[in-house]
This record gives sequence, structure tokens and C-alpha cells, in this order.
Amino acid sequence: AQSVTQLGSHVSVSEGALVLLRCNYSSSVPPYLFWYVQYPNQGLQLLLKYTSAATLVKGINGFEAEFKKSETSFHLTKPSAHMSDAAEYFCAVYNAGGTSYGKLTFGQGTILTVHP
Amino acid sequence: EPEVTQTPSHQVTQMGQEVILRCVPISNHLYFYWYRQILGQKVEFLVSFYNNEISEKSEIFDDQFSVERPDGSNFTLKIRSTKLEDSAMYFCASSEFGGRAKNEQFFGPGTRLTVL
Repeated sequence: AQSVTQLGSHVSVSEGALVLLRCNYSSSVPPYLFWYVQYPNQGLQLLLKYTSAATLVKGINGFEAEFKKSETSFHLTKPSAHMSDAAEYFCAVYNAGGTSYGKLTFGQGTILTVHP
Repeated sequence: EPEVTQTPSHQVTQMGQEVILRCVPISNHLYFYWYRQILGQKVEFLVSFYNNEISEKSEIFDDQFSVERPDGSNFTLKIRSTKLEDSAMYFCASSEFGGRAKNEQFFGPGTRLTVL
């Protein structure tokens, strides 16, 4: 079975600073990995996804993530944080195999705070 | 931009009562999902639905739960006899494709269910 672990339930950065949100996965098959963001009172919005093409994936709002098989990681980064990036971020892995139709397994989420 | 909508945004009910959570998926999507998030815990998969039948369900999705697509637009989750531990945020999601490579799930804003 696949799983993801997000290191750090809360991350706080200054505006303009680097954002790094950590995600490690466990999977017995090549994984498909996703980052979702949830703004207050809104649904989960897809930021980016890794589907075995390029290992460096670019997403919306200036975010990107790098798939590192040797480290079983898929960390999310953004070079310069903006106040509007404050939200909760979820890493997820697609459970494949058998008759599974799109079951996502999520990490516990990381709340990003951006202060002036 | 098309989006998944959910009603109500908040639902308060007494233990033992039946609740129905409603979702309107994106119109051309064929695959539908329910997830839930208990406060402070991970987002958990409940069930996936395709072609008018359940394609996969988790161990959480017991006989107290059911899903239905009563017409061409709505997708509902029914809890027959609510328990205190059913209190959670329930997310509906839909995707156009079910296969691994193209599965991108769009989430609604969630319904917060409180069982007293």
C-alpha cells in the first residue's frame, strides 16, 4: 500500500523567503504524486502532479516540486513566498493497481504561515 | 471555470439521525469520490463511484454509508444513523478520467458535519 508523510504540521516563513514543504512517500510501484492546496473555506486545489515524466514539476502560483526516487521524496518549493500563499498544503499519492479508480492517499497536511 | 459544489456548507445533526450530503460534480466528469477529514487528522478516502456503481470503498465506508447519483447532476452521500465519530469535513471530488495517467481530481469546498 502507498502512503505519504509530511514533515512539519506548521511552517512559518517571511514574505520573500524560500518556501520548502516536505513530503516523503512509500510505494511498492512507481508512484503518481500530487500537491494540493486548501485556502480557508475552500476546497482542495491541485497545485501540481508528478506522473513519471519530468522529475521537476512546475505548478501554479510559482510552486514546483522535484521527484527524487533515491530519497523517496517529493518536496514542494517556491523561491519567494507571498502573503497569498498562506494556506494548508497536502501531499497525496495515487493508489494504483487492481480495480482502483483514483483513490488518493493524503499526508496530514502542512499549514503555511507567511508573515510580513 | 467549472467547479464542484457541495451543500450544505455546515450540517449539525443529532446522533442517530440520517444525513444526506450533496455534491454537484463538474458536468463532463464521469468519476466521483467522497473523502473526509476528521479535525486534526488526514484527509481519508471513503468511496469512488463510476458508471452508477461503487468501484472502490474504504473500511470506513460501512453499511451506514451509501452513495447515489439520483439524477444527471447530483452525487450524494448518505449516513443512515450518524455517530459522534462521523463528525468531520466531507469532501466531494470528481474527475474526467479514471486511469492513472490522467486522473486529476477536482474537489468541492466541503461540508462540515457536526454530530451532537
